Amino acid sequence: DGGITQSPKYLFRKEGQNVTLSCEQNLNHDAMYWYRQDPGQGLRLIYYSQIVNDFQKGDIAEGYSVSREKKESFPLTVTSAQKNPTAFYLCASSIGGGQVRGYTFGSGTRLTVV
Amino acid sequence: AQTVTQSQPEMSVQEAETVTLSCTYDTSESDYYLFWYKQPPSRQMILVIRQEAYKQQNATENRFSVNFQKAAKSFSLKISDSQLGDAAMYFCASNAGGTSYGKLTFGQGTILTVHP
Repeated sequence: DGGITQSPKYLFRKEGQNVTLSCEQNLNHDAMYWYRQDPGQGLRLIYYSQIVNDFQKGDIAEGYSVSREKKESFPLTVTSAQKNPTAFYLCASSIGGGQVRGYTFGSGTRLTVV
Repeated sequence: AQTVTQSQPEMSVQEAETVTLSCTYDTSESDYYLFWYKQPPSRQMILVIRQEAYKQQNATENRFSVNFQKAAKSFSLKISDSQLGDAAMYFCASNAGGTSYGKLTFGQGTILTVHP
């Protein structure tokens, strides 16, 4: 079955460490997205990519970085510059633009700073 | 820029009754789509229903229907014959074209509780 796989499900980070969240899809979707979810704030866009080797900043990109070397993969790195990284992170994909069908989401990664 | 507002942080309904969740949005685009997503306790986001802005007819999916008022920029979700499995966080989202092409903007969410 096609879908999006996010790993790990839970991740703990020490202060000052960089951590990378994995997102892999086998849906042959062109576009991929990273969202952050905090209580009471809905989902906010971190980064998105519409084609391989190209990506754009979303609304809250500071302290995060991404790469898109393969169509199937869109890893998110949470750097030490992100001052409040504890949150639930969702990866999504869509068929080029996503205007018609909406997005397919992964099951999320819960990141906690310890 | 787009904004999506859900003014009801929490709603509750009795099993088998009907409930309506509100959503308003603001966009300068003429071509856009609107979505309702459900997030149950598992936190998996599930697409409930979508509406194309240029279509006059309100979308329906089984017990779920929308009331789309384009001039008022309102997009409410009606759940009929509510079931215990409908309990979840519901997010309204907008996906406009133009410079915002391909990006979803979400509302703050509404927690729906279903009482047996």
